[in-house]
Amino acid sequence: TQLLEQSPQFLSIQEGENLTVYCNSSSVFSSLQWYRQEPGEGPVLLVTVVTGGEVKKLKRLTFQFGDARKDSSLHITAAQPGDTGLYLCAGAITLGRLYFGRGTQLTVWP
Amino acid sequence: GAGVSQSPSNKVTEKGKDVELRCDPISGHTALYWYRQRLGQGLEFLIYFQGNSAPDKSGLPSDRFSAERTGESVSTLTIQRTQQEDSAVYLCASSAELASGDTQYFGPGTRLTVL
Repeated sequence: TQLLEQSPQFLSIQEGENLTVYCNSSSVFSSLQWYRQEPGEGPVLLVTVVTGGEVKKLKRLTFQFGDARKDSSLHITAAQPGDTGLYLCAGAITLGRLYFGRGTQLTVWP
Repeated sequence: GAGVSQSPSNKVTEKGKDVELRCDPISGHTALYWYRQRLGQGLEFLIYFQGNSAPDKSGLPSDRFSAERTGESVSTLTIQRTQQEDSAVYLCASSAELASGDTQYFGPGTRLTVL
């Protein structure tokens, strides 16, 4: 059983479309992170959110942390082929370990 | 480079053999983590080290798995009597300190295949 349920698992869209990826849990997290992973590489951190209700923007990417700190979303506006990759959410409850979702494989077609 | 490095990048072994995976963290990082990523899955926590404190081994799946770290430098993950279900990518990460939300920098991983 995954502590963080991430959806959808796969997303295939055309360039220019918008999309949202969700991470949900029944647990409360002290912080939540979003990573992007390319084939053959380790995950690279995109953002960390720590406050309930927090919204962070990174160019065309918008990240939101739920008020109760149990869920988060990643919204991409006007997706581009360069956005293709595996997106992972990860939450921290105690010091050290991160709990990862299964990931969302995003493919953006030109 | 100044990033986390791991070796080997790929390892193919026969069932029942022991393997050692190596991780070189970013210099000065006190915290080091090991994760496992099975095909199509997210990352599964295995163990972390913080300075000279006792490591958190709560994620190790069985007593066939062990890890060591020398001071604040290199770490090795050892899997004894490998099984086919051990096939996965093993990822190492380091962070400047052990703090909730602190950025973990990942290496490229070691792809382990057990035949």
